[in-house]
Amino acid sequence: GDSVTQTEGLVTVTEGLPVKLNCTYQTTYLTIAFFWYVQYLNEAPQVLLRSSTDNKRTEHQGFHATLHKSSSSFHLQKSSAQLSDSALYYCAFPVTGNTRKLIFGLGTTLQVQP
Amino acid sequence: DTTVKQNPRYKLARVGKPVNLICSQTMNHDTMYWYQKKPNQAPKLLLFYYDKILNREADTFEKFQSSRPNNSFCSLYIGSAGLEYSAMYLCASRGLGGRDTQYFGPGTRLLVL
Repeated sequence: GDSVTQTEGLVTVTEGLPVKLNCTYQTTYLTIAFFWYVQYLNEAPQVLLRSSTDNKRTEHQGFHATLHKSSSSFHLQKSSAQLSDSALYYCAFPVTGNTRKLIFGLGTTLQVQP
Repeated sequence: DTTVKQNPRYKLARVGKPVNLICSQTMNHDTMYWYQKKPNQAPKLLLFYYDKILNREADTFEKFQSSRPNNSFCSLYIGSAGLEYSAMYLCASRGLGGRDTQYFGPGTRLLVL
């Protein structure tokens, strides 16, 4: 079946250091796009990154991710974490067909400490 | 404006009582979704409306109802709440040509006692 596996639980990083959140997926669909959503405390999940092109780096707000279909991965990285990056991060992709429902991972909480 | 609003943000319900959650969007999106998020689980689709057509997931078919009186509003209705309904309920909307992007509301946290 369709699934997303993310770095589990809580990732703690010191401000200014690099961070990487892993995301791998499994699907039988010819998937159109992959997303990273970020959810700050008490706010709505919002799109951080979207990619539909294999092996192309996508960047936004200092974060970047490259979709690698050969390894079924879409890892999220940032070279220098900021305190304001502390949030819950979801990796997800929509299934094809009328539903377009999102298949989510469990989410990874990123905590950036001073 | 890509805002999706949900009311209430927090809901306390008693076992056996009905619960009605509201979602609204002003983006004229044709599709609206309801997801359920429980601790240590991924968000899971419950149902969605494409225009006026309701589609419910097979495993939640009998547990949730929904209505969409107009394009902007969508409700999620639980006829008789059970303890297992305690969760975060996320509403999302998507427009045609939106490159599959779903816009989410902040969620309603439901606690059933």
